[in-house]
Amino acid sequence: AQRVTQPEKLLSVFKGAPVELKCNYSYSGSPELFWYVQYSRQRLQLLLRHISRESIKGFTADLNKGETSFHLKKPFAQEEDSAMYYCALRNTNAGKSTFGDGTTLTVKP
Amino acid sequence: KAGVTQTPRYLIKTRGQQVTLSCSPISGHRSVSWYQQTPGQGLQFLFEYFSETQRNKGNFPGRFSGRQFSNSRSEMNVSTLELGDSALYLCASSLEPSNPSGELFFGEGSRLTVL
Repeated sequence: AQRVTQPEKLLSVFKGAPVELKCNYSYSGSPELFWYVQYSRQRLQLLLRHISRESIKGFTADLNKGETSFHLKKPFAQEEDSAMYYCALRNTNAGKSTFGDGTTLTVKP
Repeated sequence: KAGVTQTPRYLIKTRGQQVTLSCSPISGHRSVSWYQQTPGQGLQFLFEYFSETQRNKGNFPGRFSGRQFSNSRSEMNVSTLELGDSALYLCASSLEPSNPSGELFFGEGSRLTVL
């Protein structure tokens, strides 16, 4: 079975502070992991995927297979980063994506 | 390209009624997934369709069903509605289940309120 855990429902930081959104997963195969973001009044959209190893809007995420984690990080948070963030794990064989419960990030001025 | 389109956007039903929601994927996308989004439980997977076949199903009762048509459009149906079915129902499309990209493209959702 595949499972994604985001331990923090709410996270609040000040502008310019570092931010880390935690994601842990449980999966017996080789995982494909993603972060999706939902800004206020917008649809859910992909932020980044681990396979690309890229930085999007200053965010990065490293897959740690030993700790089964895929934490999302940004060194200097901006107010426009305030949104709901979902970590997702995709089973490539079955085509199913499992999402965590989400973390609401608030960046205060 | 037009994005994923879901209809209706909002609807209100009463307990015991049934509802049908529609999803038109991005042109060329053949895989469609459905999710239920609630404030308390995040995104819960309902089912996934590819080439008119249900490939995966989440842990929802049999009152929840769906189908996919030959043009990849999908519908989901909820019968005998309960108050707890009130939620935002999201549809997501992707190229194919095995596509390396793996990205899901979401619609804006259908917000169902059950009174």
